[in-house]
Amino acid sequence: SELTQDPAVSVALGQTVRITCQGDSLRNYYASWYQQKPGQAPLLVIDGKNNRPSGIPDRFSGSSSGNTASLTITGAQAEDEADYYCNSRDSSGNRLVFLFGPGTRVTV
Amino acid sequence: QVQLVESGGGVVQPGKSLRLSCATSGFIFSHFGMHWVRQAPGKGLEWVAFILYDGTKEYYADSVKGRFTISRDTSKNTLYLQMSSLRAEDTAVYYCARELLGPSRMDVWGQGTTVTVSS
Repeated sequence: SELTQDPAVSVALGQTVRITCQGDSLRNYYASWYQQKPGQAPLLVIDGKNNRPSGIPDRFSGSSSGNTASLTITGAQAEDEADYYCNSRDSSGNRLVFLFGPGTRVTV
Repeated sequence: QVQLVESGGGVVQPGKSLRLSCATSGFIFSHFGMHWVRQAPGKGLEWVAFILYDGTKEYYADSVKGRFTISRDTSKNTLYLQMSSLRAEDTAVYYCARELLGPSRMDVWGQGTTVTVSS
């Protein structure tokens, strides 16, 4: 199983952008989303129930339907320019794996 | 505050071994599952291994199964990754991350430690 993402998207300052993630595992497991800026560790921005960790602006939101999860940035800011990765677990029998999408580079 | 600090990275020859450590603080280590995730230069994130909160189960990516071992020492609040038979393709920044459930996500990450496999 794997997760797929668009390689790159661009958004004008203050506009809205949606990043999608597709995969069979998303039919059974929630996706979480991570932001990564150059030279920094990944940062959790949204979990599968659309909860944001403390300090993450409310312009970040998540949703899911079927085999697709989405991260939306409403009113994108310059500091939102980063790579965004989706992640979910997948399992069959005794096997458990964690999947990352290839990442989407967001340009503001 | 919750903190994860990786160490142990360096330059190692192909076929050799290396052990990474992830020192944790600010939370009850024995209550949380823990991951290792890596990122090759210029590439995306790749999950490497996961260990349950009590250390009873370990899970690995196919790319490292049989070569890497994840473990934890609750008395030292430290996570480990023992890497053997290293290959050039194992060159990456290695991050440790805490697993939070309900739903599953990696809510805290370390700053990473760099492993370079080269002769």
